[in-house]
Amino acid sequence: AQTVTQSQPEMSVQEAETVTLSCTYDTSESNYYLFWYKQPPSRQMILVIRQEAYKQQNATENRFSVNFQKAAKSFSLKISDSQLGDTAMYFCAFIQTGANNLFFGTGTRLTVIP
Amino acid sequence: DVKVTQSSRYLVKRTGEKVFLECVQDMDHENMFWYRQDPGLGLRLIYFSYDVKMKEKGDIPEGYSVSREKKERFSLILESASTNQTSMYLCASSSGALAGMDTQYFGPGTRLTVL
Repeated sequence: AQTVTQSQPEMSVQEAETVTLSCTYDTSESNYYLFWYKQPPSRQMILVIRQEAYKQQNATENRFSVNFQKAAKSFSLKISDSQLGDTAMYFCAFIQTGANNLFFGTGTRLTVIP
Repeated sequence: DVKVTQSSRYLVKRTGEKVFLECVQDMDHENMFWYRQDPGLGLRLIYFSYDVKMKEKGDIPEGYSVSREKKERFSLILESASTNQTSMYLCASSSGALAGMDTQYFGPGTRLTVL
């Protein structure tokens, strides 16, 4: 069975600083996808960034980037130049290629401090 | 923009009541999902549907059933609500075109309290 672990229940960062959220996963599969989703307070969950396991290059989306270490089964999210709007719950998620079932971690609550 | 809507943001029901949670998406997506979100547990999949009238159990289907009579609508049913079903329920949809790497689009959630 696939499991996704986020070991940091809460984190905080000063505005304009950089923060890294950790995620590890466990799978015996070699083909899969990894995601970071963001859930702002009282707002809908949205996709932040996606990584295909077969790609060695780390995905980036503007201020968001990942550090994907396949051998270590690690998938961390780096947020650069943190903004107040980045305050949210962040979920790491895993899906096996061809499947429909996303497995989510327990989430990290990030607070950006002005 | 994809829009996923849920019938209620907040719902209060009594133990033993039958509860319907409705979800509608407007992007002609094949896949629809119901998750339950609890603090410290993340999101757990209850059921998903990959086509009209088709459904598959997720990780925690006990106490729930679903219905998908039309492509855009996916209902979650609690046949006899219990207090341990007090939770936030999230609906999501995805196109189904990309075999797993589809983005899932989420609704705003329904916070259900069972008294």
